[in-house]
Amino acid sequence: KNQVEQSPQSLIILEGKNCTLQCNYTVSPFSNLRWYKQDTGRGPVSLTIMTFSENTKSNGRYTATLDADTKQSSLHITASQLSDSASYICVVSARNTDKLIFGTGTRLQVFP
Amino acid sequence: SAVISQKPSRDICQRGTSLTIQCQVDSQVTMMFWYRQQPGQSLTLIATANQGSEATYESGFVIDKFPISRPNLTFSTLTVSNMSPEDSSIYLCSVAVIAGGGLSQTQYFGPGTRLLVL
Repeated sequence: KNQVEQSPQSLIILEGKNCTLQCNYTVSPFSNLRWYKQDTGRGPVSLTIMTFSENTKSNGRYTATLDADTKQSSLHITASQLSDSASYICVVSARNTDKLIFGTGTRLQVFP
Repeated sequence: SAVISQKPSRDICQRGTSLTIQCQVDSQVTMMFWYRQQPGQSLTLIATANQGSEATYESGFVIDKFPISRPNLTFSTLTVSNMSPEDSSIYLCSVAVIAGGGLSQTQYFGPGTRLLVL
């Protein structure tokens, strides 16, 4: 069964610190993996998208990694800001389908 | 990219009534989807809105409960019919945009409609 699991479920860090969010998936055949940021009460916004051949991609202070062999991805946030407080969702799509498989998200809270 | 707007942004409704949510995209898109996000949960696909034909519903969702219209490539509506408190959720419109000569597909989401059913 195609599944996407994220950890931790929630995370609290202090402003300025770094953090790493994890995503494991069992989707096959794999097409691409995306990380989205969802602010409370808003729709998800794409941060990164990686295909099978890409193992790292950055978007400002966000860096995503992908290990297609172990079916794991991580999202690293550098020098966190209060505005990083949000849910971060890992989404995987299988080849030859328009459908996305969503993880349950990691709820990040950044405190001053 | 695609900019998506939804109306209403939020509503409080009585059980047994129906609410129609509108989704407007700033460019023509082939693929448009409707999702539901229940409190504390991730997104669940309700259906794919097909232009000129009936929507394609996912398991657990039916047309009588969630009728969808897609009159053109920039607009769609989702109706939540005969609402119950279990329908309280955020409803999101989404579109997929093909890029890179068809090598990749980016999915954009609207801001969502927050629905509370009493």
